[in-house]
Amino acid sequence: DAKTTQPTSMDCAEGRAANLPCNHSTISGNEYVYWYRQIHSQGPQYIIHGLKNNETNEMASLIITEDRKSSTLILPHATLRDTAVYYCIVAGAGGTSYGKLTFGQGTILTVHP
Amino acid sequence: NAGVTQTPKFQVLKTGQSMTLQCAQDMNHEYMSWYRQDPGMGLRLIHYSVGAGITDQGEVPNGYNVSRSTTEDFPLRLLSAAPSQTSVYFCASSSPGTGLYFGPGTRLTVT
Repeated sequence: DAKTTQPTSMDCAEGRAANLPCNHSTISGNEYVYWYRQIHSQGPQYIIHGLKNNETNEMASLIITEDRKSSTLILPHATLRDTAVYYCIVAGAGGTSYGKLTFGQGTILTVHP
Repeated sequence: NAGVTQTPKFQVLKTGQSMTLQCAQDMNHEYMSWYRQDPGMGLRLIHYSVGAGITDQGEVPNGYNVSRSTTEDFPLRLLSAAPSQTSVYFCASSSPGTGLYFGPGTRLTVT
């Protein structure tokens, strides 16, 4: 699975959009981009995933560049409860389906009032 | 649905003791896996299973055994606990096309 690079930490004001970047320059054609978050030592929570096209669900939007070498997770209206560690993971469909994911250090997002 | 459940929530062991961490899921997911998370670190894969009767090793399997006799359950056994196994243990389940669903974790301390 391709490696990812994320900033160590980011801040965001409550109510504003939080844009979390991720670089994955060695991603291969059949690998997906997944985002998870972990709130204060709870189990990680799946947010969203995508292959080529931008994706949106009730939690967030995922923007993947045309060359697929980077992506951005967007939390449109961040709340204090969105303070968490956010993990960007690249894996093949088989990799995540088998429960095998490689977690890096992630980005610590702090949402402040 | 309860999702993924783990027991116990907390456990303290002495060096050399053995124990089993329980994990169950009620989503009929085919795949289950165990991760450990050390303080300030990311998660590391211990063992995983792609179905009943089928298991394989992850990144850090030494000192742990698993078995998968049913779709629902995936227990993790510590054979002879060591202080280096002090960690938070997360169980997860998934099916093709889904994300991983994680349990709440078991916090283990080995003295």
